[in-house]
Amino acid sequence: SQQGEEDPQALSIQEGENATMNCSYKTSINNLQWYRQNSGRGLVHLILIRSNEREKHSGRLRVTLDTSKKSSSLLITASRAADTASYFCATVVSFNDYKLSFGAGTTVTVRA
Amino acid sequence: DAGVTQSPTHLIKTRGQHVTLRCSPISGHKSVSWYQQVLGQGPQFIFQYYEKEERGRGNFPDRFSARQFPNYSSELNVNALLLGDSALYLCASSSQGGYGYTFGSGTRLTVV
Repeated sequence: SQQGEEDPQALSIQEGENATMNCSYKTSINNLQWYRQNSGRGLVHLILIRSNEREKHSGRLRVTLDTSKKSSSLLITASRAADTASYFCATVVSFNDYKLSFGAGTTVTVRA
Repeated sequence: DAGVTQSPTHLIKTRGQHVTLRCSPISGHKSVSWYQQVLGQGPQFIFQYYEKEERGRGNFPDRFSARQFPNYSSELNVNALLLGDSALYLCASSSQGGYGYTFGSGTRLTVV
């Protein structure tokens, strides 16, 4: 079973628009991470947010975490064609538990 | 610096055969994890090794086994292959705990 669930499953936007995707999880966590995957290849780590943090920024990425609702969101601002990819959230339950538990992902298509 | 290296990139096997997948972590990383990603789904945790010891195992049958060598490289072995084992197998390395995973590009296994 998967810990996280992303919403929506798929998203199509125009270049320059913002893309927002959400992740819900089931158990308390140590941290939550977002990854990008292009064309079914390797995963690229985007950003990590710890359970005691509420918001983090990295370039055009903004991640929020609401531990009371067990949910997170990833915002990509001013999207580009190169942002076309699948995005996954992954949770780590505790620092000593190295396992990443992934959701099924959100597929984002950015139209030129 | 070289990233996480996986070999082979692709392979095709027949049902019932055995397969060995290889992974070289980033230099200095002592933790290696293996994930299986079936088409259209998020990665599923298979194994995690740290300092040559198994630290975690996902919900996979005993046909799946792995080991880590003194140089921290790792092998994933799958015996008696089934059609359902067709997937992208991802290796990830980390220097510490549940933070900062770097994934390889994966091995695409097709079982026919």
